[in-house]
Amino acid sequence: GAVVSQHPSRVICKSGTSVKIECRSLDFQATTMFWYRQFPKQSLMLMATSNEGSKATYEQGVEKDKFLINHASLTLSTLTVTSAHPEDSSFYICSARPTAAYEQYFGPGTRLTVT
Amino acid sequence: GIQVEQSPPDLILQEGANSTLRCNFSDSVNNLQWFHQNPWGQLINLFYIPSGTKQNGRLSATTVATERYSLLYISSSQTTDSGVYFCAVGTGPDSWGKFQFGAGTQVVVTP
Repeated sequence: GAVVSQHPSRVICKSGTSVKIECRSLDFQATTMFWYRQFPKQSLMLMATSNEGSKATYEQGVEKDKFLINHASLTLSTLTVTSAHPEDSSFYICSARPTAAYEQYFGPGTRLTVT
Repeated sequence: GIQVEQSPPDLILQEGANSTLRCNFSDSVNNLQWFHQNPWGQLINLFYIPSGTKQNGRLSATTVATERYSLLYISSSQTTDSGVYFCAVGTGPDSWGKFQFGAGTQVVVTP
């Protein structure tokens, strides 16, 4: 149980284009989902907290207009990287927290390369 | 915000050896999880352990919340235990359970 999927697993796009990443909780409902970013050999950095039916809360220094988050249902959150640039290349990981629980479950990650 | 420190940063083990990884945190927490990140980047839940002791096979963990630290024990290590081990903590009911991650411990188990 407690499986989280992400799609796509890997994406290469050209500078200036937008990319959408989906995060789904497959066997539980998640009121809250989180989006992280990880650079090589570094730890995970929280980008934003996504609550179903409300606006996402972004961490300090994260551009909300560049990283659009939508949490439209209890099993799906999406992250759209708008007008991507090479510096946005990174490993993006989502997690989901089951309703009324604190434990988080992580997706397999999406590797974004912007050329 | 809360500070999370993991030690050691790197650990090289011979197969069969035992080891202890430590996670210190600077404030009270209501959530603490240990993860293993495999070479493909997937974070695998090891323990949800805001307090107390748990065991799962060759792995066990102890969190002493009053002293603000957690320990992860790996016994009889295997090469498949290689990877990065992260401790992550969550604080406060108003934080929606969001995590602060430690920097991780890179573990290499040699045959």
